[in-house]
Amino acid sequence: SQQGEEDPQALSIQEGENATMNCSYKTSINNLQWYRQNSGRGLVHLILIRSNEREKHSGRLRVTLDTSKKSSSLLITASRAADTASYFCATVNTGTASKLTFGTGTRLQVTL
Amino acid sequence: DVKVTQSSRYLVKRTGEKVFLECVQDMDHENMFWYRQDPGLGLRLIYFSYDVKMKEKGDIPEGYSVSREKKERFSLILESASTNQTSMYLCASSLGGGGRGETQYFGPGTRLLVL
Repeated sequence: SQQGEEDPQALSIQEGENATMNCSYKTSINNLQWYRQNSGRGLVHLILIRSNEREKHSGRLRVTLDTSKKSSSLLITASRAADTASYFCATVNTGTASKLTFGTGTRLQVTL
Repeated sequence: DVKVTQSSRYLVKRTGEKVFLECVQDMDHENMFWYRQDPGLGLRLIYFSYDVKMKEKGDIPEGYSVSREKKERFSLILESASTNQTSMYLCASSLGGGGRGETQYFGPGTRLLVL
């Protein structure tokens, strides 16, 4: 079953701009993760935020988590053409250790 | 670096054939997973395994079975392939044990076409 819903479904920006993607989920979680997928390839883990954390940074990535609203956002700053990919949020729901529930993804296009 | 490999990148099979998709991970991970990915539907979990010879159904197990005889290898079996099983199949593994152990590492995927 799909839990995460990403918004927007597609995003097109120019190089150097910031990209923000949002994810909403429905049930109580242990953690939320963001993954990236280049066209036709496997997924690559980007960042994990635990349910008791509110914000996390990794390089040009910033993730926020609001458990009261059951939502998360991924911000990519100073985007590059190489950031063009699909981005997925995934949750580890309470009581389902190790099992991820994925959203449907946001397709990001970064143009020169 | 964790490496997850899948036996084929592309596969073409005929309806009714038995299909084996193999996945191997090299980091002694406890957990292994099989997903299928279809446009507009995201990733859906087919089966997963927490240990050798152990398997659990995911969200869409119908038409599939799995085998985990060794810790590093997790096989997905399509008993009698059908055209609606045409999809991208992704294998993943994770260390287990909670926290960062729940990060999953993915293989490159197998794009299966059933004619």
